[in-house]
Amino acid sequence: EAQVTQNPRYLITVTGKKLTVTCSQNMNHEYMSWYRQDPGLGLRQIYYSMNVEVTDKGDVPEGYKVSRKEKRNFPLILESPSPNQTSLYFCASSRPGSYNEQFFGPGTRLTVL
Amino acid sequence: DQQVKQNSPSLSVQEGRISILNCDYTNSMFDYFLWYKKYPAEGPTFLISISSIKDKNEDGRFTVFLNKSAKHLSLHIVPSQPGDSAVYFCAATNFGSSNTGKLIFGQGTTLQVKP
Repeated sequence: EAQVTQNPRYLITVTGKKLTVTCSQNMNHEYMSWYRQDPGLGLRQIYYSMNVEVTDKGDVPEGYKVSRKEKRNFPLILESPSPNQTSLYFCASSRPGSYNEQFFGPGTRLTVL
Repeated sequence: DQQVKQNSPSLSVQEGRISILNCDYTNSMFDYFLWYKKYPAEGPTFLISISSIKDKNEDGRFTVFLNKSAKHLSLHIVPSQPGDSAVYFCAATNFGSSNTGKLIFGQGTTLQVKP
């Protein structure tokens, strides 16, 4: 089944404790992206990657890191999480030439205390 | 500054009637628009899109209308079904000049279709 998977789905952590949210897709998509969803703000792009070893900042990259060492994986790293990073996070991927019609993962709900 | 706005947080309609979800944008460089649907505990799923060279795109019960002069688009669902109850996000992008895949989303509108 073609899908984007994220782990964990739910996470409660404390300020300053480094964490990684994994994202994997099995559709051989070149493009991958991370978003956060907050009430009243919709989805905002954090980082994106056009291909392996190619990443760039989205609208709200502060406090986040990403890496793209393999085509299928695009982990999101929070080196020192803070309460304002409490949010619902989505990973997405898409086919070459169809970057706009993105397939989304199920989401990771993160709470930073 | 919210470049894509969905001013109605929620909408309730009766089954079988038309649902109209609205979206406004401010950036005239946007040339491609999309609607996504999101159920609770799931990621958004692509629903329908429209290029700025068109003013209408239809897919089954779903039709998107684009009014470039007003910088406004709308999603019509006819007839509405209870399974359409979800959050609908409007999104826009500048596909033509620099296709970075960046989507700018609206805040979302929660549609409830009552049986």
